[in-house]
Amino acid sequence: EVQLVESGGGLIQPGGSQRLSCAASGLTVSSNYMSWVRQAPGKGLEWVSVIYTGDTKYYADSVRGRFTISRDNSKNTVYLQMNSLRAEDTAVYYCARDRAPPTSWYFDIWGRGTLVTVSS
Amino acid sequence: SSELTQDPAVSVALGQTVRITCQGNSLRSYYASWYQQKPGQAPLLVIYDKDNRPSGIPDRFSASSSGNTASLTITGAQAEDEADYYCNSRDSSGSHGVFGGGTKLTVL
Repeated sequence: EVQLVESGGGLIQPGGSQRLSCAASGLTVSSNYMSWVRQAPGKGLEWVSVIYTGDTKYYADSVRGRFTISRDNSKNTVYLQMNSLRAEDTAVYYCARDRAPPTSWYFDIWGRGTLVTVSS
Repeated sequence: SSELTQDPAVSVALGQTVRITCQGNSLRSYYASWYQQKPGQAPLLVIYDKDNRPSGIPDRFSASSSGNTASLTITGAQAEDEADYYCNSRDSSGSHGVFGGGTKLTVL
């Protein structure tokens, strides 16, 4: 069974840092595009970042320069390092397998998410 | 603001057909995909790459597109279809993902 399990969420003070993890089973992260998608409480989905198989990375404008996506192939895990956190970063963060053929972009496998709350 | 625009809410009578739309300039170049999300759950892919359904998704879900508008159609809506629906595609640059704001579907 293919599974993505996020961890690392919690209560963080504004300006603080946090690292989220996404442990994969049943798929190899190094052979797949992997993304982070977030959802603020009561709001819609927002794509955050993607890491391609060749290690190319892209970020949403709202997090560029503050967030860094990476992966550890030996642990089959994807990470999201979040720095300079703001209240508006409060959200459930989902890890998802990203299918990005030339003609579209979609996510076919999702984790259950981890809640990040930025508040003093 | 999102580059993909959806109506915030739509309702349909049980067993009837409903269409949920998604508008955006990038849809002139890229196909939309569609997700169903129920409260407290992760999104579930229901349509990808123009009009393909993942395994296990009922065939009452279908999609189409024309110009800058993509549509998800549910033919014979069921009570269990009540959920939020999101469209997604590439943005105008082609290098970023983007979601619509979501449509809350109520089945009456």
